[in-house]
Amino acid sequence: KAGVTQTPRYLIKTRGQQVTLSCSPISGHRSVSWYQQTPGQGLQFLFEYFSETQRNKGNFPGRFSGRQFSNSRSEMNVSTLELGDSALYLCASSVGLTNQETQYFGPGTRLLVL
Amino acid sequence: DAKTTQPTSMDCAEGRAANLPCNHSTISGNEYVYWYRQIHSQGPQYIIHGLKNNETNEMASLIITEDRKSSTLILPHATLRDTAVYYCIVRSYTSGTYKYIFGTGTRLKVLA
Repeated sequence: KAGVTQTPRYLIKTRGQQVTLSCSPISGHRSVSWYQQTPGQGLQFLFEYFSETQRNKGNFPGRFSGRQFSNSRSEMNVSTLELGDSALYLCASSVGLTNQETQYFGPGTRLLVL
Repeated sequence: DAKTTQPTSMDCAEGRAANLPCNHSTISGNEYVYWYRQIHSQGPQYIIHGLKNNETNEMASLIITEDRKSSTLILPHATLRDTAVYYCIVRSYTSGTYKYIFGTGTRLKVLA
């Protein structure tokens, strides 16, 4: 079974631009979660989507948004980029239905904001 | 949300068992403990999880204390490829959904 894939793997943007990252979950998984990882803050939960609906959200500003499509693929968007948005963005997928869930992570997208 | 506390770093000799401790004193009765590891800023890799009982798989063993306030991940025969940051996570239940709360992790260095 193919794992979680994320595109692009690397991205360079400038302040004020916006960016869209993509995540394809493991086949059969309906939940997709997004995380931001920085050296200073570690791994922080952004949001989770299940069946095209945002089910959970972390403490990030409204510049960070996401969506999920009917095939469970997900995108996250960051508008008006700031230098502090430079990070590794990870997505993780899971079945999304049971109490005992395991999330499987993708390789991440490394975003550099100049 | 239940938080976890782990030592910042540990060393282990190659071929020896690596025992990584984790405190999760505020864990609730239905919250699972998960362990992941991350190598060179790749995506975290799932290792093992448990609720109350000790668990073992092909990668590791997980020992959870009877009061569930702490756990230990055991890599029985550490190799150089096990050098990574290991995260102990409590999967918390909030507002009707589950999410993972990552701590700062333990940087394990396996020495030749």
